Amino acid sequence: SQTIHQWPATLVQPVGSPLSLECTVEGTSNPNLYWYRQAAGRGLQLLFYSVGIGQISSEVPQNLSASRPQDRQFILSSKKLLLSDSSFYLCAWGSRFSYNEQFFGPGTRLTVL
Amino acid sequence: QKEVEQNSGPLSVPEGAIASLNCTYSDRGSQSFFWYRQYSGKSPELIMSIYSNGDKEDGRFTAQLNKASQYVSLLIRDSQPSDSATYLCAGSGYSTLTFGKGTMLLVSP
Repeated sequence: SQTIHQWPATLVQPVGSPLSLECTVEGTSNPNLYWYRQAAGRGLQLLFYSVGIGQISSEVPQNLSASRPQDRQFILSSKKLLLSDSSFYLCAWGSRFSYNEQFFGPGTRLTVL
Repeated sequence: QKEVEQNSGPLSVPEGAIASLNCTYSDRGSQSFFWYRQYSGKSPELIMSIYSNGDKEDGRFTAQLNKASQYVSLLIRDSQPSDSATYLCAGSGYSTLTFGKGTMLLVSP
């Protein structure tokens, strides 16, 4: 069966510091991978998605970036965090052979102070 | 712009009742639709998928799709307090999903 991991579960960072969140998927090959964020009481905002290694599509221009160095690894980064980056960050995977259904990881709760 | 609309709620139902959650979508090209359940502080969990017009039942859950009306619904029979959560509706694009903002369901004992 497939499993998706995200770490860390919670993170507190000062404004201006860098960020690196990692997501890995087990039990499947060539998954589509997604980064979302969800501010408190708000809907899901798609940040980036990837259909293959090195292929990244950005949905919202901002101070975040994403990379996919390996087939089942997806990384979300920032060089300098803003207060407004405080949010719940979610990674998801989907099979390109299904109907686009996506499965979410446990998420990382980021607080920027 | 593709949109999925949901009533934010909260929808309050007594234990044992049927909860009815609704969603409309703007993109006629969407072929697949999904319902996710999200408990407070947790990540969304896929509970139902529906790909064709009509009803699809899975245990206490029934998803309904009407492509002509661009309408998707989720019925929860015999609602339990453990069903209290936010329910997200999503429609598929080429490689992505468009999510609604979710409807909060409260089931009172």
